[in-house]
Amino acid sequence: DTAVSQTPKYLVTQMGNDKSIKCEQNLGHDTMYWYKQDSKKFLKIMFSYNNKELIINETVPNRFSPKSPDKAHLNLHINSLELGDSAVYFCASSPQQQETQYFGPGTRLLVL
Amino acid sequence: QKEVEQDPGPLSVPEGAIVSLNCTYSNSAFQYFMWYRQYSRKGPELLMYTYSSGNKEDGRFTAQVDKSSKYISLFIRDSQPSDSATYLCAMRLYNNNDMRFGAGTRLTVKP
Repeated sequence: DTAVSQTPKYLVTQMGNDKSIKCEQNLGHDTMYWYKQDSKKFLKIMFSYNNKELIINETVPNRFSPKSPDKAHLNLHINSLELGDSAVYFCASSPQQQETQYFGPGTRLLVL
Repeated sequence: QKEVEQDPGPLSVPEGAIVSLNCTYSNSAFQYFMWYRQYSRKGPELLMYTYSSGNKEDGRFTAQVDKSSKYISLFIRDSQPSDSATYLCAMRLYNNNDMRFGAGTRLTVKP
């Protein structure tokens, strides 16, 4: 009965590869988010989706693209991975915009 | 100056101590204030959620917001080893779901 789930939990890959991280929430929430947490534990928002529409897009490289097949899923695609992309990526969701966010367990990405 | 400042610690206290965690911020327009707890290798989980100024209590946890000083606090009474985690403050504007997080304070409660 996991609320917000992410796969994979760990991802190790070579520079230049393309990879995807999946996120699903079974809370019936309208808004989903992607965050990046760097080695110093700073959490920075990357994207959010509300009813399949992108509503925040921080200044992240266009190698990162969120894709939402339906309200319960928000996947993150990353092209041409770079060393600096190594971090923990968290998915989150909230009932509506401007409400409290609930986080998934994170995906630890290591780019070699 | 960072938008949200939080001392990363680490902070180590004996079991039973009162813990005080703090954040300062620069944007006076922030209206919603949250504290998240993050255990090692886990996602952040919401602890406390407050709107505007004042206090909110939930069990051993008390959140305080002082908007005039742009300062928020989380107090943990009778701290337990299970409270050992990183505590993140977060805040956002009234009509915007773009949350800003502090760096997190790593707390260890020793038995």
